[in-house]
Amino acid sequence: DTGVSQDPRHKITKRGQNVTFRCDPISEHNRLYWYRQTLGQGPEFLTYFQNEAQLEKSRLLSDRFSAERPKGSFSTLEIQRTEQGDSAMYLCASNGEGLHGAEAFFGQGTRLTVV
Amino acid sequence: AQRVTQPEKLLSVFKGAPVELKCNYSYSGSPELFWYVQYSRQRLQLLLRHISRESIKGFTADLNKGETSFHLKKPFAQEEDSAMYYCALRAETSYDKVIFGPGTSLSVIP
Repeated sequence: DTGVSQDPRHKITKRGQNVTFRCDPISEHNRLYWYRQTLGQGPEFLTYFQNEAQLEKSRLLSDRFSAERPKGSFSTLEIQRTEQGDSAMYLCASNGEGLHGAEAFFGQGTRLTVV
Repeated sequence: AQRVTQPEKLLSVFKGAPVELKCNYSYSGSPELFWYVQYSRQRLQLLLRHISRESIKGFTADLNKGETSFHLKKPFAQEEDSAMYYCALRAETSYDKVIFGPGTSLSVIP
C-alpha cells in the first residue's frame, strides 16, 4: 500500500500519559493535515503543514497537543497529559497541490483510547 | 463561520431505489464542495467534487448556491453503496482546510 500510512493503528493509554502518533504521507505530497474524529461526528480539522511549516492550527489544538513535520516528510502528533476527552480517531491526510480542488488522501487513522 | 450540515444520520433505501443524501452549508463566499465516502473497514476517500461536475459510481451532486446545498444523488442504489458519506467544504480564503459535516450512514437493503 503506497498511500498515507499511520502508526500505530490503535493506542490505549492511561490518563495523564503522553502519546505520539506518526503519519507518513504519500511521498511526493508537500501538504499534510491532521484531523480528529469522534463517534457520530465528521473529521474535525486540527492542523496543516506545507512542507515543514505548520501554517494553520485549530482552536481544538490545545497546549497539550503539538505537531511537527521536521523534514517536510513524515509528521508526528503528540498529546501530553492525555485526558479521557482525547479519546478519538486521529486521521492524517496529504495532498500534493496547493491549488483549488486538490484531493486529500487519508490514512486509516490511529484510534486512541484514554482509560 | 463555515459549517456543513447533514440532516440525516441514517438513511435506508431498497436496492434499485433512488438515493438522495442531503447537505447544506453556511458560508458567505464561494466554497468548494466535496463528497467523501468511507466504506466498511476502509479509509476515507474522495467521491466527487463540485468543480469536476463528474458522475462517480453513478452519483452526482449539484451545487445550489441559492439554497446553499450540495445534495448527493443516485438514481438506482446498489448494495455496494452502503457506506458512510461526508459532505465537506473548503472556503475560498483557505485552500487547505476542509470542513466536514457529521456524515450520513447509507444502508442499501437487498
